[in-house]
Amino acid sequence: DVKVTQSSRYLVKRTGEKVFLECVQDMDHENMFWYRQDPGLGLRLIYFSYDVKMKEKGDIPEGYSVSREKKERFSLILESASTNQTSMYLCASSSQVDDLFFGPGTRLTVL
Amino acid sequence: TQLLEQSPQFLSIQEGENLTVYCNSSSVFSSLQWYRQEPGEGPVLLVTVVTGGEVKKLKRLTFQFGDARKDSSLHITAAQTGDTGLYLCAHNIKGAAGNKLTFGGGTRVLVKP
Repeated sequence: DVKVTQSSRYLVKRTGEKVFLECVQDMDHENMFWYRQDPGLGLRLIYFSYDVKMKEKGDIPEGYSVSREKKERFSLILESASTNQTSMYLCASSSQVDDLFFGPGTRLTVL
Repeated sequence: TQLLEQSPQFLSIQEGENLTVYCNSSSVFSSLQWYRQEPGEGPVLLVTVVTGGEVKKLKRLTFQFGDARKDSSLHITAAQTGDTGLYLCAHNIKGAAGNKLTFGGGTRVLVKP
């Protein structure tokens, strides 16, 4: 059974903390993505990566950075968390075709 | 950015009823995808439509791609409580840096027993 896993389902952090969200896929996919999902705004792309050590900005990259040191792992980093980064974070991966496979999501609350 | 508008935003129906949700844009798409997201989970791909006028069926779900490839609809016949979820349409933007999916805002469907 193919899988995308995320390190935490729920996370609570304080303003100013550094936050790491980890995502691992076991499908040998080239492409990996980080989205955030907010009510009324749908899924918005933060960053994506199409190869190891490669990264591209999505639609809302401000306040975030990413790391892709290994093909199977894509990390999202909040250097200094703020309350407006409270959201559901979804990781996804895909091969050269269009189909995305999503992880279960991490619900992050920043106090 | 090509915007995807989904309607309605929320739909509540009784089990056994039919429903249709819509995905519209002013732009032409090479393909369109539909995902369903259940509470507490990530979205799962249901179907990809590619050809204008195409109709695809997945059990009680019927997906249609508009002739002009600017819109799509999802029709559920005899809805069941298991159909409850957030239905998202998405299209693929092919760029020099790789492919990325852009999503509509979603339609939240609640099927009551």
